[in-house]
Amino acid sequence: AQSVTQLGSHVSVSEGALVLLRCNYSSSVPPYLFWYVQYPNQGLQLLLKYTTGATLVKGINGFEAEFKKSETSFHLTKPSAHMSDAAEYFCAVSQTNFGNEKLTFGTGTRLTIIP
Amino acid sequence: NAGVTQTPKFQVLKTGQSMTLQCAQDMNHNSMYWYRQDPGMGLRLIYYSASEGTTDKGEVPNGYNVSRLNKREFSLRLESAAPSQTSVYFCASSEGTSGPSTDTQYFGPGTRLTVL
Repeated sequence: AQSVTQLGSHVSVSEGALVLLRCNYSSSVPPYLFWYVQYPNQGLQLLLKYTTGATLVKGINGFEAEFKKSETSFHLTKPSAHMSDAAEYFCAVSQTNFGNEKLTFGTGTRLTIIP
Repeated sequence: NAGVTQTPKFQVLKTGQSMTLQCAQDMNHNSMYWYRQDPGMGLRLIYYSASEGTTDKGEVPNGYNVSRLNKREFSLRLESAAPSQTSVYFCASSEGTSGPSTDTQYFGPGTRLTVL
């Protein structure tokens, strides 16, 4: 079975500061990993994803995440926070087995940006 | 392209009432999904359809039924609503036929359902 743990349901950072949102996963086979963002009163949209190859993945809006197999982690970072980054962020994992594949989401981290 | 659309945006039901949530996508995607989102629990998969004519249960299917009407449309029905079904419901779609895999899922704006 696969699972995702997001450490910290709420994170606050100052505008211009580093954003670090933590995600650890559990998977019995090599995982595919995703970060989605949800702005208020909207659906989720993909920020970035890791499938295979380069472990540092760059996404939209200046975000990036690094797949670390030894740490079973896929933390999301952005060097300098912007007010528009305020949203809820979800980490998700999908297993690579064929058939009946499902996307398992973490419980989310709400990011607040302090002016 | 409208992407994924959902109707209605808001709904209030009384316990025991029934209703159908509608979802449509115009991206020619094969797979479609219904999730519910509850505070502190992230998104949980209710049902999904990996291709037209097929549906499968997700993590929390009890109390729900689905219909994949055609490739574009995937509806979610609550036959007898209960307060525990108060939630925000999201429909999503992805291109592949075997489920999420590496596919990006595209989400609708959601339906906020309250059951009194």
